[in-house]
Amino acid sequence: AQSVTQLDSQVPVFEEAPVELRCNYSSSVSVYLFWYVQYPNQGLQLLLKYLSGSTLVKGINGFEAEFNKSQTSFHLRKPSVHISDTAEYFCAVRLDRGSTLGRLYFGRGTQLTVWP
Amino acid sequence: ETGVTQTPRHLVMGMTNKKSLKCEQHLGHNAMYWYKQSAKKPLELMFVYSLEERVENNSVPSRFSPECPNSSHLFLHLHTLQPEDSALYLCASSQAGGRRTDTQYFGPGTRLTVL
Repeated sequence: AQSVTQLDSQVPVFEEAPVELRCNYSSSVSVYLFWYVQYPNQGLQLLLKYLSGSTLVKGINGFEAEFNKSQTSFHLRKPSVHISDTAEYFCAVRLDRGSTLGRLYFGRGTQLTVWP
Repeated sequence: ETGVTQTPRHLVMGMTNKKSLKCEQHLGHNAMYWYKQSAKKPLELMFVYSLEERVENNSVPSRFSPECPNSSHLFLHLHTLQPEDSALYLCASSQAGGRRTDTQYFGPGTRLTVL
């Protein structure tokens, strides 16, 4: 079975501090990796994705993530957060099974709260 | 409108009511999805439609009935729901075929409360 683990359910941080949201997955096949953000009362918005190539992926709003195959991790980072980054962040994995239509496996989410 | 839209945004219904959720995508995609998001649980994939055919049904109770009349519209018909069905229902779409992966784009969701 596939699983996605977001190690922290809540991450409080002060404004302008750096942040890392952790994500680990289990899979025996190649994967595609995604981070989504959900602001209150909204749907999920794609932050960034790793499909292939460079393991360091840059996304919107100054976020980036690094794919580490040996550690099966895809941690999300931002060097300096803003209050508007307060939201829930979801890591998701899709298996590379040759089909172009595949289900996403989501983690339980990490609530990032940025304090002034 | 752009992206993926869902109506209504909020819905309160009794257990004997019949209602429908609507999703529309304006991205030219050919695959659509229904997810259920409950508190403290990972997103649960309910149904997948590709080219208007249901390709996945993850053991969803029959009180949820999806309908995909064309590639831009997806409905979720609800009847005799239970209070535990209260959740945020998210619709997503993607372009499947021709590329190695299909990134899913989500709508804002419908917050459903079953009394």
